[in-house]
Amino acid sequence: DAGVIQSPRHEVTEMGQEVTLRCKPISGHDYLFWYRQTMMRGLELLIYFNNNVPIDDSGMPEDRFSAKMPNASFSTLKIQPSEPRDSAVYFCASTETGIGYGYTFGSGTRLTVV
Amino acid sequence: RKEVEQDPGPFNVPEGATVAFNCTYSNSASQSFFWYRQDCRKEPKLLMSVYSSGNEDGRFTAQLNRASQYISLLIRDSKLSDSATYLCVVTDNNDMRFGAGTRLTVKP
Repeated sequence: DAGVIQSPRHEVTEMGQEVTLRCKPISGHDYLFWYRQTMMRGLELLIYFNNNVPIDDSGMPEDRFSAKMPNASFSTLKIQPSEPRDSAVYFCASTETGIGYGYTFGSGTRLTVV
Repeated sequence: RKEVEQDPGPFNVPEGATVAFNCTYSNSASQSFFWYRQDCRKEPKLLMSVYSSGNEDGRFTAQLNRASQYISLLIRDSKLSDSATYLCVVTDNNDMRFGAGTRLTVKP
């Protein structure tokens, strides 16, 4: 199994630009999570999906952030417009059994907004 | 008070030492507990679950104290390769919360 695959690994963009982060979960995993990690705030849950349906998006910082999961093998996290304070590492994780069980994380996307 | 609190460290120990980390949580209804390991500039990886009765995996021992609302991780005979940040994770029905992590450096 290739694990959770995220792209790109690194993204540098200018303030105001749209950024799209991508994630392919492990096949058969019904839950997909988007996390953001910064030195100041640690790992924060942004949103999670169960069977492609968004279940809890209360962690999404504001309307500039949106996430979709059009099918079981693909999800996107979009930031539009991006701001310097969005700079962080964004992780995608998946699990087959839901919250309360071990997650497998992708390698993350390191986003820098200048 | 943070929902999941850990001593950020760093803990600097010599090879072969025994080191222990604690993590406290605020939600008494929390149901599941884990320790994750995160290497520098890498993703978190599940190290072990924490069961009420305590559990061991090789050199690693995890314990849960529900009355005092803390979990612990003990590493015996530490190796250079144990150097990493250890994240405590606490879940309830709808949320999985990560602590900020405790940094461990094992030195020769």
